Amino acid sequence: DSGVTQTPKHLITATGQRVTLRCSPRSGDLSVYWYQQSLDQGLQFLIQYYNGEERAKGNILERFSAQQFPDLHSELNLSSLELGDSALYFCASSRQGGYGYTFGSGTRLTVV
Amino acid sequence: AQKITQTQPGMFVQEKEAVTLDCTYDTSDQSYGLFWYKQPSSGEMIFLIYQGSYDEQNATEGRYSLNFQKARKSANLVISASQLGDSAMYFCAMRENYGQNFVFGPGTRLSVLP
Repeated sequence: DSGVTQTPKHLITATGQRVTLRCSPRSGDLSVYWYQQSLDQGLQFLIQYYNGEERAKGNILERFSAQQFPDLHSELNLSSLELGDSALYFCASSRQGGYGYTFGSGTRLTVV
Repeated sequence: AQKITQTQPGMFVQEKEAVTLDCTYDTSDQSYGLFWYKQPSSGEMIFLIYQGSYDEQNATEGRYSLNFQKARKSANLVISASQLGDSAMYFCAMRENYGQNFVFGPGTRLSVLP
């Protein structure tokens, strides 16, 4: 167990629907990062939060949004889902002064 | 432009032999970190090894070592005495400056043959 918890592990939903992925960072970590891993795009950075505030944005679609709550857990909201959104979504966390990431086990999203 | 290049989409190695996975990077920053992650078929991302740009010694972690050649901007992963459980995707990643997000390479799929 890496200490980063992602739920759910698997999610199957229909096109046009909306889902929420949840991430609890490792204890003491203030930064949360979201990544999307699809077969044809590799690991793509989506967004970073630091202590509740958005810190950096990557290739995140407008249909996607995220937030980090006061207890530091984060949620990634995906709406108007398309078949191409099917991917493994990772959350990672890091602590102040640290260089490394700790990844969660990912949420595998399948859009049908 | 690609910041991390892994030129070997797939590699095979015989069990108990050593293997080198290539990684080159592009950055104009002086301070950065280089990482290798392993992703087995189960999907989780497992941290293997870290090299800081100012570290003079090559990093080692058990059977993993990082061959860091700063002038060439390369950070190759060497796995000694390969085991069947080493079969996985391997990603090279870089973090520029402090607090910035990681950039990952496309990965190399390693298959260890018995």
